[in-house]
Amino acid sequence: DSGVTQTPKHLITATGQRVTLRCSPRSGDLSVYWYQQSLDQGLQFLIQYYNGEERAKGNILERFSAQQFPDLHSELNLSSLELGDSALYFCASSVGIRVSTDTQYFGPGTRLTVL
Amino acid sequence: KNQVEQSPQSLIILEGKNCTLQCNYTVSPFSNLRWYKQDTGRGPVSLTIMTFSENTKSNGRYTATLDADTKQSSLHITASQLSDSASYICVVSLKTSYDKVIFGPGTSLSVIP
Repeated sequence: DSGVTQTPKHLITATGQRVTLRCSPRSGDLSVYWYQQSLDQGLQFLIQYYNGEERAKGNILERFSAQQFPDLHSELNLSSLELGDSALYFCASSVGIRVSTDTQYFGPGTRLTVL
Repeated sequence: KNQVEQSPQSLIILEGKNCTLQCNYTVSPFSNLRWYKQDTGRGPVSLTIMTFSENTKSNGRYTATLDADTKQSSLHITASQLSDSASYICVVSLKTSYDKVIFGPGTSLSVIP
């Protein structure tokens, strides 16, 4: 158990809908990262927040947005969902700000299925 | 172009045997290299991290090597167990003023009895 929690575990929705994924980082970690992993594909970095502020952006679509709240939990909002958005979405957390040197601890993921 | 490649794409070995997974990168400037283990449907877990000056790092039955000159790394698994069945991901970080990490596509390892 990494100490990172994600809810829900599974999510099934229809095209065009909007969903919110939630992540609680490990106690003491200030950074939260979001990743997308499509079937048989590698991890794609979406976005990083550090202590409530956006820190880095990766391949995140304009239909997607995220935020980190004062209690450090984070939410990833996906809107106007398309079939291609079906994937595993992972949240990770780390103590510091630098993704290149800090060890990231990954949550169990949310499996999103868009029908 | 900064890239991380892994081989083989997939591998099947018998329980108890050893195996070696490869990672080649064209990332520059290089900061460090990590190997992650990802069980099916679960989040990745860090196995090792190596900087430019380190050429070997062990974590139990897992031994990672790094050749910064040839830009190659390998992950050697000794006396494989059924629980080693997973995807192994090589991740390389850049040494720049901005943070960037590049994920490899992973090698899927199946250990069979």
